[in-house]
Amino acid sequence: EVQVAESGGGLVQPGGSLRLSCAASGFTVSNNYMNWVRQAPGKGLEWVSILYSSGTTHYADSVQGRFTISRDISKNTVYLQMNSLRAEDSAVYYCARDSSLVRGYSYYYYMDVWGKGTTVTVSS
Amino acid sequence: DIQMTQSPSSLPASVGDKVTITCRASQSIGSHLNWYQQKPGKAPKLLIYTASSLQGGVPSRFTATASGTDFTLIISSLQPEDFATYYCQQSYTSPYTFGQGTKLEIK
Repeated sequence: EVQVAESGGGLVQPGGSLRLSCAASGFTVSNNYMNWVRQAPGKGLEWVSILYSSGTTHYADSVQGRFTISRDISKNTVYLQMNSLRAEDSAVYYCARDSSLVRGYSYYYYMDVWGKGTTVTVSS
Repeated sequence: DIQMTQSPSSLPASVGDKVTITCRASQSIGSHLNWYQQKPGKAPKLLIYTASSLQGGVPSRFTATASGTDFTLIISSLQPEDFATYYCQQSYTSPYTFGQGTKLEIK
């Protein structure tokens, strides 16, 4: 079965660090684009970061310079290293696979596999 | 960044109703538009990809259309399990952006 499972969330003080993990099964993370998406309590979805199969990474402006996405091919796992955490980073963090299809000359991407999420709370 | 504007933010409806949710992109994104459904305490679920393609296993009462930068999700006959929050998302370029969500509520 194709699935992802997040772990690593918890309570951390402002300015602290946390590393989230996203373990994949049924597919290979290095062959796919992998995203982190978060949702603050009572709020909507916010895209956080993407790791392309090439190894290129992109980040939302709100986390640029503080968060780092990476992967361990041997563990088939994607990580989100979060440093200098702020109260506004408190959220449920979801890992999601980007699937793709080709139509004509364009590639289309959509997040078709999501984990259940892991909760990060930044508070003193 | 591309802004995605969804309307309405809240939509009271009854079982059996036909409902329409709209999403407007701040610039042209072609068909790089996806729709997700999220129920309380659960992860989002992909419903529609490439603006109008139904994800496998999603009931056919869900359809979607596109016209320029305007996108529409239509539920033809609401079922009790459809009461949830719906989000559009553009995958045209990074950063990916979501609409603010439309909460479908029981009238």
